[in-house]
Amino acid sequence: NAGVMQNPRHLVRRRGQEARLRCSPMKGHSHVYWYRQLPEEGLKFMVYLQKENIIDESGMPKERFSAEFPKEGPSILRIQQVVRGDSAAYFCASSPLHTGGPTNEKLFFGSGTQLSVL
Amino acid sequence: GEDVEQSLFLSVREGDSSVINCTYTDSSSTYLYWYKQEPGAGLQLLTYIFSNMDMKQDQRLTVLLNKKDKHLSLRIADTQTGDSAIYFCAEGAGSYQLTFGKGTKLSVIP
Repeated sequence: NAGVMQNPRHLVRRRGQEARLRCSPMKGHSHVYWYRQLPEEGLKFMVYLQKENIIDESGMPKERFSAEFPKEGPSILRIQQVVRGDSAAYFCASSPLHTGGPTNEKLFFGSGTQLSVL
Repeated sequence: GEDVEQSLFLSVREGDSSVINCTYTDSSSTYLYWYKQEPGAGLQLLTYIFSNMDMKQDQRLTVLLNKKDKHLSLRIADTQTGDSAIYFCAEGAGSYQLTFGKGTKLSVIP
């Protein structure tokens, strides 16, 4: 059973270009979460999606960022017109159900995509 | 605002104990967590402690929580080279809304 797969591992974009980050959850998982780690900071929650629905986007920047998790295929985090401040590690996690319980034992993380904006 | 602080680097000799420290600011945190990230891999939940506990032990791992000082530590006994990784402290209310520290890179010298 493959883990959470993120690709690409490294993505280089010039300012103004678009970045598309992909996340394939673990088999059987229908919930996906995106986190961002800016340089010199800890990971911060961005968005929580179920299939075809955004459940919580309270951590997403208001402009240029969007996320989707279609019925078929991976979850996509899209950043339009990237700026240098978007350079960060973007982590995806998945779970088989909403982790509203007392622990996060069912939250599995991918190895991240490192986005570098030139 | 919420903040979690931890030192960036720790180096220990194989067989010694490692102690990784963390401080947090959100007094309403219900759970405090330690995650491990090995090179090229995702974050993996190592252990967690409920905020009304002082200590939790799990084999070589001991978690100590000082709620008054908002200080959390992870002790790894008999540290092995396979323990070399980045260790993240995190706090939250038991869901996906976690606040992470920057991570402590543990290097184990053979």
